[in-house]
Amino acid sequence: GAGVSQTPSNKVTEKGKYVELRCDPISGHTALYWYRQSLGQGPEFLIYFQGTGAADDSGLPNDRFFAVRPEGSVSTLKIQRTERGDSAVYLCASSLRFSWGADSGANVLTFGAGSRLTVL
Amino acid sequence: GENVEQHPSTLSVQEGDSAVIKCTYSDSASNYFPWYKQELGKRPQLIIDIRSNVGEKKDQRIAVTLNKTAKHFSLHITETQPEDSAVYFCAASRDYGGATNKLIFGTGTLLAVQP
Repeated sequence: GAGVSQTPSNKVTEKGKYVELRCDPISGHTALYWYRQSLGQGPEFLIYFQGTGAADDSGLPNDRFFAVRPEGSVSTLKIQRTERGDSAVYLCASSLRFSWGADSGANVLTFGAGSRLTVL
Repeated sequence: GENVEQHPSTLSVQEGDSAVIKCTYSDSASNYFPWYKQELGKRPQLIIDIRSNVGEKKDQRIAVTLNKTAKHFSLHITETQPEDSAVYFCAASRDYGGATNKLIFGTGTLLAVQP
């Protein structure tokens, strides 16, 4: 697509429930990133994919969080047994490729509009 | 772990004045430093970036400077306009083959340009 698309834009759930957040990156972008942004804070890294594999998942806060990208395009962030502290905007971003080549624009991250998660 | 500190947290200037936002980073292997602008309720958008092989980059009213020795980089906006009002985030990453490409963001600066 023309931009990074995220669904749903808003999700309200109850404590303990399971949620899935979806990201559709820019067509042809091989790298995909998930960030979490709490009110008044900068985006916090969660995980990133190069192709289908998670190249770095060091930002996932605990084992309730999991993300997949089975075909190297769309990714789903899954949160089990949601807690009130999980409430935030979950941002997805994509970039053309992973490594720094001669093309200085290749690694620019383009963000989606985010999915706002509210856990009651 | 990697850390990026950003100052000030809020900045109010008069239209036409200059604004400067400063960041320091902890990971000496960082070599890519983008700046993002985020308007209320909108997604972060890249406004300028700099790589470690240059010390300064300019794009119209926006410039970024980098001091690798001090692990410090700054955003300069000249002739500010009301539409520059937003939250600005600096970020840093290692950006070369075989290494992680995650951006570490600062905590943001709320810039208010008074007409």
